[in-house]
Order: sequence, then structure tokens, then C-alpha cells
Amino acid sequence: GAGVSQSPRYKVAKRGQDVALRCDPISGHVSLFWYQQALGQGPEFLTYFQNEAQLDKSGLPSDRFFAERPEGSVSTLKIQRTQQEDSAVYLCASSVGRSSGVQYFGPGTRLTVT
Amino acid sequence: GDSVTQMEGPVTLSEEAFLTINCTYTATGYPSLFWYVQYPGEGLQLLLKATKADDKGSNKGFEATYRKETTSFHLEKGSVQVSDSAVYFCALSGGNTDKLIFGTGTRLQVFP
Repeated sequence: GAGVSQSPRYKVAKRGQDVALRCDPISGHVSLFWYQQALGQGPEFLTYFQNEAQLDKSGLPSDRFFAERPEGSVSTLKIQRTQQEDSAVYLCASSVGRSSGVQYFGPGTRLTVT
Repeated sequence: GDSVTQMEGPVTLSEEAFLTINCTYTATGYPSLFWYVQYPGEGLQLLLKATKADDKGSNKGFEATYRKETTSFHLEKGSVQVSDSAVYFCALSGGNTDKLIFGTGTRLQVFP
């Protein structure tokens, strides 16, 4: 079956531009997570959805970052007025539901801000 | 807050050598513990997990035991192969959202 997909796989943005990153979770998965992975580091949590409800956004680094999942399936992570420090790989993961433990990761979107 | 510390890499081994990658954690409550692996050019994949103290997770010849007394979850394999070359991440989850907290990753390089 299809896994988690993300698009685009690579994005180059000029500083100050807005970007939108898409995540298609595994069908039927209730939980969806976004992580940010800087070069040579482990992924860091950004935000969490249960269905369409954003239950935790404590990891979003600034108010330039915004995420939504309006119908409880596809999610979009938006970054406004991109800065060089936003350059990273953005990972999406989904899981069956609360306390299932296992998260399935997409391939990531590599964002480079020039 | 919760955190994971794992040994720095790269770890360089010859094929068939014994592997240990150390991982320790700090957490309130009783987290679940995971090892994820990232092969070159691929996404993160779950390697194994353990959900309570003294549980042993195992997969593909890799093992790790949840040690509450030492707050550790070390990854071991008795005989590594070139195909095991990858970056290995230790992680924990818990609390209200099951978000994962990762270590910084350990690169393993296995030479024939």
C-alpha cells in the first residue's frame, strides 16, 4: 500500500518568500506529525494533529510557521517570509492513532533558502 | 524536559563485527523507546521498539532492551553487514501526543 508522501521533494526559496509543503498521510491514519531536521541532527517536533484538530503546536519556531489539516487527511505546512535558518528537511509522519507508538515517515521536503 | 543522548559517530566496522550504539534518555513517566534507521537516500524507518521496562525489541538481527534502572536503550547486533550502513536514531515518545524526541543520530559505516 501507499506510504506517506510529501511534495515537493525539493524546494529552493529566496529569502522573504512564502512556501507551502504538502503531506499525504497513510489513508485512515488519525495522527499526523511534522518534524524539522537540520543537517546532521535528529528530527525535531514541530506540530501534531489528531484528525483535523491541531492539538500541539509547541514546536513551531515562530509565528511565521503555520500548519493545517482541514479535512483530517492532507496537511500543509506553510512558512511565511522564509529566512536562511529555515533551511532544513521537513518530515511528515502519520500513525494509526493515539498511543499506537509507531509513526510512518514520508521522504521529506528539503527546503533551501537562499 | 525529555531528551535522548546517543553516541556520536561515525562508527566504522568491518563486516561481521559486533555493533553497539549507546542510547540513554531522560523522561518523566514511562516513555516508549524506539530505534529508527535512515538508509542512504531513503526516509526514516522504524527498526524496533519497546514499550515498557525490560522489554526487548528486535528486528533484522538488531536488538535493544529497555533498561529503566540505567535509563538506557542500547542497540546491538552480533554480526553487521555492509548493507547495515546507515544513520541510526534513538527516540522516545510519551505524554499526551506521542510526539517523538530524537537523539542526534549515529552514522554506521561497515566495510567489507
